[in-house]
Amino acid sequence: DQQVKQNSPSLSVQEGRISILNCDYTNSMFDYFLWYKKYPAEGPTFLISISSIKDKNEDGRFTVFLNKSAKHLSLHIVPSQPGDSAVYFCAAPPSARQLTFGSGTQLTVLP
Amino acid sequence: NAGVTQTPKFQVLKTGQSMTLQCAQDMNHNSMYWYRQDPGMGLRLIYYSASEGTTDKGEVPNGYNVSRLNKREFSLRLESAAPSQTSVYFCASIQQPQETQYFGPGTRLLVL
Repeated sequence: DQQVKQNSPSLSVQEGRISILNCDYTNSMFDYFLWYKKYPAEGPTFLISISSIKDKNEDGRFTVFLNKSAKHLSLHIVPSQPGDSAVYFCAAPPSARQLTFGSGTQLTVLP
Repeated sequence: NAGVTQTPKFQVLKTGQSMTLQCAQDMNHNSMYWYRQDPGMGLRLIYYSASEGTTDKGEVPNGYNVSRLNKREFSLRLESAAPSQTSVYFCASIQQPQETQYFGPGTRLLVL
Protein backbone atom coordinates (compact mmCIF):
# COMPACT_ATOMS: atom_id res chain seq x y z
CA ASP A 1 0.00 0.00 0.00
CA GLN A 2 1.47 3.32 -1.06
CA GLN A 3 2.33 5.52 1.91
CA VAL A 4 2.81 8.57 -0.31
CA LYS A 5 0.33 9.29 -3.07
CA GLN A 6 0.25 11.72 -5.93
CA ASN A 7 -3.19 11.43 -7.46
CA SER A 8 -2.62 13.69 -10.46
CA PRO A 9 -0.40 12.05 -13.07
CA SER A 10 -0.20 15.24 -15.10
CA LEU A 11 -0.71 18.99 -14.89
CA SER A 12 -0.54 21.68 -17.58
CA VAL A 13 -0.07 25.32 -16.69
CA GLN A 14 0.47 28.49 -18.68
CA GLU A 15 3.84 30.19 -18.35
CA GLY A 16 3.78 32.84 -15.62
CA ARG A 17 0.89 31.25 -13.74
CA ILE A 18 1.04 29.23 -10.54
CA SER A 19 1.62 25.47 -10.58
CA ILE A 20 0.27 23.51 -7.61
CA LEU A 21 1.34 19.90 -7.22
CA ASN A 22 -0.29 17.82 -4.52
CA CYS A 23 0.77 14.90 -2.39
CA ASP A 24 -1.05 12.90 0.30
CA TYR A 25 0.47 10.56 2.86
CA THR A 26 -0.88 7.95 5.21
CA ASN A 27 1.77 7.64 7.93
CA SER A 28 1.41 10.32 10.61
CA MET A 29 4.88 9.42 11.91
CA PHE A 30 6.64 10.90 8.89
CA ASP A 31 8.75 13.79 10.19
CA TYR A 32 9.92 15.37 6.99
CA PHE A 33 9.06 15.46 3.34
CA LEU A 34 10.97 16.13 0.16
CA TRP A 35 10.22 17.06 -3.41
CA TYR A 36 12.38 15.83 -6.27
CA LYS A 37 12.35 16.97 -9.86
CA LYS A 38 13.17 14.72 -12.79
CA TYR A 39 13.92 15.61 -16.40
CA PRO A 40 13.79 12.93 -19.12
CA ALA A 41 16.88 10.70 -19.29
CA GLU A 42 18.25 12.13 -16.04
CA GLY A 43 18.15 11.07 -12.42
CA PRO A 44 15.88 12.85 -9.93
CA THR A 45 17.34 15.92 -8.26
CA PHE A 46 16.39 17.32 -4.88
CA LEU A 47 14.22 20.43 -5.03
CA ILE A 48 12.93 21.38 -1.58
CA SER A 49 12.06 19.80 1.75
CA ILE A 50 9.95 20.55 4.80
CA SER A 51 10.14 19.36 8.37
CA SER A 52 6.94 18.32 10.12
CA ILE A 53 7.48 21.08 12.70
CA LYS A 54 6.86 23.66 9.97
CA ASP A 55 3.85 24.32 7.80
CA LYS A 56 5.67 26.19 5.05
CA ASN A 57 9.11 26.30 3.47
CA GLU A 58 10.08 28.68 0.70
CA ASP A 59 13.00 28.67 -1.71
CA GLY A 60 12.79 31.25 -4.47
CA ARG A 61 9.90 30.42 -6.74
CA PHE A 62 9.21 27.16 -4.91
CA THR A 63 7.13 26.87 -1.74
CA VAL A 64 6.04 23.71 -0.02
CA PHE A 65 3.04 23.73 2.32
CA LEU A 66 2.33 21.02 4.87
CA ASN A 67 -1.08 20.34 6.40
CA LYS A 68 -0.48 17.68 9.04
CA SER A 69 -4.11 17.32 10.07
CA ALA A 70 -5.06 16.51 6.48
CA LYS A 71 -1.84 14.55 5.83
CA HIS A 72 -1.36 16.64 2.74
CA LEU A 73 1.47 18.63 1.23
CA SER A 74 1.64 20.76 -1.84
CA LEU A 75 4.36 22.33 -3.95
CA HIS A 76 3.68 25.77 -5.39
CA ILE A 77 5.76 27.15 -8.25
CA VAL A 78 5.29 30.85 -8.90
CA PRO A 79 5.72 32.01 -11.60
CA SER A 80 5.93 28.83 -13.64
CA GLN A 81 8.52 28.71 -16.42
CA PRO A 82 8.87 26.34 -19.39
CA GLY A 83 12.09 24.99 -17.82
CA ASP A 84 9.99 23.76 -14.89
CA SER A 85 8.43 21.13 -17.16
CA ALA A 86 9.46 17.85 -15.53
CA VAL A 87 8.15 15.03 -13.38
CA TYR A 88 7.85 15.97 -9.71
CA PHE A 89 8.00 13.33 -6.98
CA CYS A 90 7.16 13.81 -3.34
CA ALA A 91 8.91 11.55 -0.85
CA ALA A 92 9.01 10.76 2.86
CA PRO A 93 11.21 8.53 5.04
CA PRO A 94 9.54 5.40 6.47
CA SER A 95 12.78 4.83 8.38
CA ALA A 96 16.02 6.70 9.03
CA ARG A 97 17.83 5.60 5.90
CA GLN A 98 15.01 5.07 3.39
CA LEU A 99 12.67 7.16 1.29
CA THR A 100 9.31 6.18 -0.13
CA PHE A 101 8.22 8.05 -3.25
CA GLY A 102 4.92 9.01 -4.77
CA SER A 103 4.14 8.01 -8.33
CA GLY A 104 5.01 11.44 -9.70
CA THR A 105 3.23 14.28 -11.49
CA GLN A 106 4.25 15.36 -14.99
CA LEU A 107 4.19 19.16 -15.08
CA THR A 108 4.03 20.84 -18.47
CA VAL A 109 4.43 24.61 -18.57
CA LEU A 110 3.10 26.00 -21.81
CA PRO A 111 4.82 29.06 -23.31
CA ASN B 1 33.22 15.45 -8.66
CA ALA B 2 31.25 13.16 -10.94
CA GLY B 3 28.68 12.47 -8.21
CA VAL B 4 26.87 9.19 -8.83
CA THR B 5 27.71 7.35 -12.03
CA GLN B 6 25.96 4.32 -13.52
CA THR B 7 26.91 1.91 -16.27
CA PRO B 8 25.62 0.95 -18.73
CA LYS B 9 23.20 3.68 -19.81
CA PHE B 10 21.10 1.27 -21.83
CA GLN B 11 20.94 -2.52 -22.15
CA VAL B 12 18.82 -5.04 -24.00
CA LEU B 13 18.66 -8.56 -22.61
CA LYS B 14 16.89 -11.73 -23.59
CA THR B 15 14.79 -13.54 -21.01
CA GLY B 16 17.04 -15.69 -18.84
CA GLN B 17 20.23 -13.73 -19.44
CA SER B 18 22.13 -12.25 -16.54
CA MET B 19 23.77 -8.89 -16.10
CA THR B 20 25.20 -6.56 -13.49
CA LEU B 21 24.41 -2.88 -13.24
CA GLN B 22 27.26 -0.85 -11.84
CA CYS B 23 27.06 2.21 -9.62
CA ALA B 24 29.82 4.33 -8.13
CA GLN B 25 29.84 7.53 -6.09
CA ASP B 26 32.77 9.82 -5.34
CA MET B 27 31.17 11.80 -2.50
CA ASN B 28 32.36 9.47 0.28
CA HIS B 29 28.74 8.69 1.14
CA ASN B 30 27.94 5.92 3.57
CA SER B 31 24.61 4.71 2.22
CA MET B 32 23.73 3.62 -1.31
CA TYR B 33 20.46 2.59 -2.91
CA TRP B 34 19.01 0.91 -5.96
CA TYR B 35 15.57 1.93 -7.25
CA ARG B 36 13.49 1.02 -10.24
CA GLN B 37 11.12 3.43 -11.91
CA ASP B 38 8.10 2.18 -13.82
CA PRO B 39 5.30 4.24 -15.41
CA GLY B 40 2.69 5.21 -12.83
CA MET B 41 4.66 3.55 -10.02
CA GLY B 42 7.18 6.17 -9.02
CA LEU B 43 10.52 5.04 -7.62
CA ARG B 44 10.53 1.77 -5.73
CA LEU B 45 13.42 0.68 -3.56
CA ILE B 46 15.01 -2.63 -4.56
CA TYR B 47 17.94 -2.90 -2.14
CA TYR B 48 20.02 -0.57 -0.08
CA SER B 49 23.32 -0.58 1.76
CA ALA B 50 23.37 1.53 4.91
CA SER B 51 27.14 1.24 5.16
CA GLU B 52 30.03 -0.67 3.64
CA GLY B 53 29.58 -4.37 4.30
CA THR B 54 25.82 -4.29 4.85
CA THR B 55 22.88 -4.73 2.50
CA ASP B 56 19.13 -4.85 3.11
CA LYS B 57 16.05 -5.59 1.07
CA GLY B 58 13.76 -2.81 0.00
CA GLU B 59 10.22 -2.93 -1.32
CA VAL B 60 10.81 -5.03 -4.46
CA PRO B 61 13.93 -7.23 -4.00
CA ASN B 62 12.78 -10.41 -5.75
CA GLY B 63 14.89 -11.36 -8.77
CA TYR B 64 17.81 -9.15 -7.75
CA ASN B 65 21.03 -9.42 -5.78
CA VAL B 66 23.41 -6.68 -4.70
CA SER B 67 27.02 -6.31 -3.68
CA ARG B 68 28.52 -3.40 -1.79
CA LEU B 69 32.01 -3.89 -3.19
CA ASN B 70 33.55 -1.04 -1.20
CA LYS B 71 32.43 2.35 0.05
CA ARG B 72 32.29 3.74 -3.50
CA GLU B 73 30.60 0.95 -5.43
CA PHE B 74 27.24 -0.78 -5.18
CA SER B 75 26.25 -3.23 -7.93
CA LEU B 76 22.88 -4.74 -8.79
CA ARG B 77 22.72 -8.17 -10.41
CA LEU B 78 19.94 -9.82 -12.33
CA GLU B 79 20.69 -13.55 -12.38
CA SER B 80 17.94 -14.54 -14.82
CA ALA B 81 16.27 -11.54 -16.41
CA ALA B 82 12.50 -11.50 -16.94
CA PRO B 83 10.37 -9.12 -19.03
CA SER B 84 8.86 -7.79 -15.77
CA GLN B 85 12.32 -6.38 -14.99
CA THR B 86 12.13 -4.02 -17.93
CA SER B 87 12.50 -0.67 -16.21
CA VAL B 88 14.74 2.29 -15.57
CA TYR B 89 17.14 1.66 -12.69
CA PHE B 90 18.52 4.44 -10.53
CA CYS B 91 21.32 4.33 -8.02
CA ALA B 92 21.45 6.90 -5.21
CA SER B 93 23.61 7.73 -2.21
CA ILE B 94 23.54 9.78 1.00
CA GLN B 95 26.09 10.59 3.68
CA GLN B 96 23.84 10.61 6.73
CA PRO B 97 20.24 9.71 7.47
CA GLN B 98 17.74 12.46 6.72
CA GLU B 99 20.00 13.98 4.13
CA THR B 100 18.83 14.31 0.57
CA GLN B 101 19.64 11.48 -1.79
CA TYR B 102 21.82 12.08 -4.85
CA PHE B 103 20.82 10.06 -7.90
CA GLY B 104 22.72 8.73 -10.85
CA PRO B 105 21.50 9.25 -14.43
CA GLY B 106 19.84 5.84 -14.64
CA THR B 107 20.17 2.62 -16.63
CA ARG B 108 17.40 1.81 -19.06
CA LEU B 109 16.92 -1.97 -19.26
CA LEU B 110 14.79 -3.78 -21.79
CA VAL B 111 14.20 -7.50 -21.34
CA LEU B 112 12.75 -9.26 -24.37
